[in-house]
Amino acid sequence: AQRVTQPEKLLSVFKGAPVELKCNYSYSGSPELFWYVQYSRQRLQLLLRHISRESIKGFTADLNKGETSFHLKKPFAQEEDSAMYYCALSGRGGSEKLVFGKGMKLTVNP
Amino acid sequence: NAGVMQNPRHLVRRRGQEARLRCSPMKGHSHVYWYRQLPEEGLKFMVYLQKENIIDESGMPKERFSAEFPKEGPSILRIQQVVRGDSAAYFCASSPLVFTGELFFGEGSRLTVL
Repeated sequence: AQRVTQPEKLLSVFKGAPVELKCNYSYSGSPELFWYVQYSRQRLQLLLRHISRESIKGFTADLNKGETSFHLKKPFAQEEDSAMYYCALSGRGGSEKLVFGKGMKLTVNP
Repeated sequence: NAGVMQNPRHLVRRRGQEARLRCSPMKGHSHVYWYRQLPEEGLKFMVYLQKENIIDESGMPKERFSAEFPKEGPSILRIQQVVRGDSAAYFCASSPLVFTGELFFGEGSRLTVL
């Protein structure tokens, strides 16, 4: 079974502080991991995917298969990063559905 | 491209009535997904459809819920004999033929059961 765990519901930091949004997963096969973001009054949208190995809006995430984690990091948070963040998983080469975690609300204070 | 369109945005039903939620995918997208978000919960996968075909309905409750994506027209999520526990936000997403993991979401339909 596919499962995604985001252990923290809320994270509040000051502008310029580093942030790390935790995500752990459970999947017996080879997973593909994603981070989705929902800004206030906007639709849920893809932020980044592990397979691309890219930095989006200063965010990066590394897939750690040993720890089954895919934490999202940014060294210097900005106020515009305030949003809901969801970690998601799909099974590679098989199921095309995305399984989401419960989400985490990030607030970046001025 | 107008994006994924869902309607109605808000729907109020009394217990025992039927609820129909509609979703038009992005132009050129052939796959539709339905997710449910209960209060304080994340997005729960319900069903994944292609035109005229249900691919994966492993997240659908066994009774009262059904989904379709006809050859013409929007995808419809139908809930019969609604109960208070069905009150939730229902999100539709679409993707193109080749799955890349990027889903394009609608704004959601909020169902309230009185």
